Amino acid sequence: GAVVSQHPSRVICKSGTSVKIECRSLDFQATTMFWYRQFPKQSLMLMATSNEGSKATYEQGVEKDKFLINHASLTLSTLTVTSAHPEDSSFYICSAKAGETQYFGPGTRLLVL
Amino acid sequence: DAKTTQPPSMDCAEGRAANLPCNHSTISGNEYVYWYRQIHSQGPQYIIHGLKNNETNEMASLIITEDRKSSTLILPHATLRDTAVYYCIVRASRPMSNQGGKLIFGQGTELSVKP
Repeated sequence: GAVVSQHPSRVICKSGTSVKIECRSLDFQATTMFWYRQFPKQSLMLMATSNEGSKATYEQGVEKDKFLINHASLTLSTLTVTSAHPEDSSFYICSAKAGETQYFGPGTRLLVL
Repeated sequence: DAKTTQPPSMDCAEGRAANLPCNHSTISGNEYVYWYRQIHSQGPQYIIHGLKNNETNEMASLIITEDRKSSTLILPHATLRDTAVYYCIVRASRPMSNQGGKLIFGQGTELSVKP
């Protein structure tokens, strides 16, 4: 299947700083990518849909000014958590569409101190 | 997109077939059934998907009932590495839309394969 990578795999930052997470489709081009967040012992929650060359579409309750999404190329989408706080600590996972199937990255574990 | 219902947990003996049920009684004609699994602390892994016909690949088989209101994912010879949370998701196919077909995850079934 298609391969999606994420970088970094884990990051620790201080409260108030910003963190950027990269999502790449390695062997295919993706006009649409998705960002999810997962808290311990919970299911994945969709945060936003990232479209190449246009603005992201955010799910209800997700602050677009806090979670900045950029999809500047057909193989890269980035999620920036701005002014991170401890409650933003979570497992962030991206996915990319190859045809009608979504393939997921390995996830990025964010810990905000 | 239609909602799915899955048992919260199941056990399976190593080497035996694991049959994971999913109810999607409100599925509509253009909605596919997708199965993913998530091993602890990893991203979800695509397993299989289908519309009406049964499907089989190297990982699993998907059996969809004739009325499409339910389906079963079959892992023919479960191994310890198949221990994971399995998600059944119904999603419409919108090939002409860049925003088509968001995957909305439910709680899934936690499958434990035991020696």
